[in-house]
Amino acid sequence: QQQVKQSPQSLIVQKGGIPIINCAYENTAFDYFPWYQQFPGKGPALLIAIRPDVSEKKEGRFTISFNKSAKQFSLHIMDSQPGDSATYFCAASIRSNYQLIWGAGTKLIIKP
Amino acid sequence: DTGVSQNPRHKITKRGQNVTFRCDPISEHNRLYWYRQTLGQGPEFLTYFQNEAQLEKSRLLSDRFSAERPKGSFSTLEIQRTEQGDSAMYLCASSPWGEGSGGNTIYFGEGSWLTVV
Repeated sequence: QQQVKQSPQSLIVQKGGIPIINCAYENTAFDYFPWYQQFPGKGPALLIAIRPDVSEKKEGRFTISFNKSAKQFSLHIMDSQPGDSATYFCAASIRSNYQLIWGAGTKLIIKP
Repeated sequence: DTGVSQNPRHKITKRGQNVTFRCDPISEHNRLYWYRQTLGQGPEFLTYFQNEAQLEKSRLLSDRFSAERPKGSFSTLEIQRTEQGDSAMYLCASSPWGEGSGGNTIYFGEGSWLTVV
């Protein structure tokens, strides 16, 4: 029940395309859902986050869509660029416990 | 740079030796976390502090691991009698605390790579 399931494991998209990464969770107590971007050899960097009281959040080219009834959320990257090539992790946490539960990651490659 | 700072960035040690990593969190962040990450995997939670109090420890944190945050500022993570399975990147993170303070926003450092040979 503590797991966050992330798919796909890897994704190759042409420049300008819209990669979509999906995550699903079971624990309805989760109330915070961040996405992190990680480049090789670097620590994860917070990209965007959403709470379950909204269905969509946009920051620049990054959009989170959230479906509370389905217990799913996804990351969309608009106008993708080769510089977006990285590993993306979704995560979830419970309000009273700030431990992040992580997805397994998606290795994204944007081809020029 | 006012981000989370970790030292050393890389450490190669022989099996059985002790190693210590240091983390300096973002100033005024009173929550500090340690995670471990192996290649191709997401980070795994190890422990976290609120100020100087260690509030939670994962079952991954065996008795060979100890973390401290003596004055509620920097933290150290020590691994005693290292084993090859300890080879990983050790990530430190910090966050502010409290409603309305973005308490859930966790910022990570660059990580400390440990290789046990």
